[in-house]
Amino acid sequence: GAVVSQHPSRVICKSGTSVKIECRSLDFQATTMFWYRQFPKQSLMLMATSNEGSKATYEQGVEKDKFLINHASLTLSTLTVTSAHPEDSSFYICSASPGQGIHLAKNIQYFGAGTRLSVL
Amino acid sequence: AQSVTQPDIHITVSEGASLELRCNYSYGATPYLFWYVQSPGQGLQLLLKYFSGDTLVQGIKGFEAEFKRSQSSFNLRKPSVHWSDAAEYFCAVGPLDSSYKLIFGSGTRLLVRP
Repeated sequence: GAVVSQHPSRVICKSGTSVKIECRSLDFQATTMFWYRQFPKQSLMLMATSNEGSKATYEQGVEKDKFLINHASLTLSTLTVTSAHPEDSSFYICSASPGQGIHLAKNIQYFGAGTRLSVL
Repeated sequence: AQSVTQPDIHITVSEGASLELRCNYSYGATPYLFWYVQSPGQGLQLLLKYFSGDTLVQGIKGFEAEFKRSQSSFNLRKPSVHWSDAAEYFCAVGPLDSSYKLIFGSGTRLLVRP
């Protein structure tokens, strides 16, 4: 159980285009999802917390107009990198917390396999 | 400020040898503690977690971790490493607030010699 699917796994795009990344919880409902960015050989940097039915909470220094997050249902959150530029190239990972009780209250997160974004 | 330190960037062990990966945290109270593993180009898989109670926790793939309050540590161990254990290992803490965030350490890359 607790499977998180992230799509696409890899995307290459031209500078100036927008890219959408999907994160789905397949066998549980996720009130809260998280979006991370990971640079090569570095740790995960939390970009934003996505809450179903409400606006995302962005971490300091993350441009909300650049990284649009939508959490329209209890099983789907999307991250759109708008007007992507080469410096946005990175590995983006989502995670989801089961939305009730012990799991949400204790920070358990299940991770997707990540999306490698390359902007030319 | 809350922080997680993994002092070893790389560790190399021989297959069949024992393993210990270090993790120290800085937090006002005992946070929730996690170990995750990441294979190249993949997401993170939860190995084990500690919330309270018995300070020695068992996880998947033969891993265990011991919480030591006096040392603010949560070190990961495995008695006999397999070549498939080669990966990046992240320690993380979950602060006791309503943010539900995880704070990750910088990771330790495990290399396994045949």
